[in-house]
Amino acid sequence: QVYLVQSGPEVKKPGASVKVSCKASGYSLTNYGISWVRQAPGQGLEWLGWLSVSNALTYYAPKVQGRVSMTTDTSTSTAYMELRSLRSGDTAVYYCVRSLNSGSTLGDAYDVWGQGTMVTVSS
Amino acid sequence: DIQMTQSPSSLSASVGDRVTITCRASQSISRNLNWYQQKPGKAPELLIYAASTLENGVPSRFAGSGSGTDFTLTISGLQPEDFANYYCQQSYNIPVTFGGGTKVEIK
Repeated sequence: QVYLVQSGPEVKKPGASVKVSCKASGYSLTNYGISWVRQAPGQGLEWLGWLSVSNALTYYAPKVQGRVSMTTDTSTSTAYMELRSLRSGDTAVYYCVRSLNSGSTLGDAYDVWGQGTMVTVSS
Repeated sequence: DIQMTQSPSSLSASVGDRVTITCRASQSISRNLNWYQQKPGKAPELLIYAASTLENGVPSRFAGSGSGTDFTLTISGLQPEDFANYYCQQSYNIPVTFGGGTKVEIK
């Protein structure tokens, strides 16, 4: 069975940073791209960016460019998403997702989703 | 960015009904269109990719069609477990974008 298991909920103050982890099991993390998608309460889905695990190539959404970093630790099969200078509009559930196709496919469907990590930004 | 417009934003239907959800892209995306189902408090699940290919394990009552800018998701014979939110997603260009969602409710 293929799983992505994310870290627990976070509460942060405006201006702080958050780092969410996503541990892959049941497959080799290096064989598939990982993207991050978020969903504000009661809202739709928003793509944040993509990471090619095999070569560390990244693409970030313009809305979070400059504030976000996506990395991996292949020794622990874990992907990370760090978001800095948090604001109230960043309050959302953050999902890590696996690309459907193996390799460095930038645009793709997402066939495996983490359970989500709730990040709350509040003073 | 490619804008994805879903309609309707919500609909009410009965068990056994045939339901159609549409998704329109602001420019041609070939067949790079995917559909997801999301139930309350859960992560989305992939239903259909490449416009019409059913993901493994998805019931055959779900069907996708379309190409270019106009796409549809059809559920033939709505089941109680199908009441959920549905999202389309274009994977043709970066940034990846999603439709606003369609909530399928019980009539």
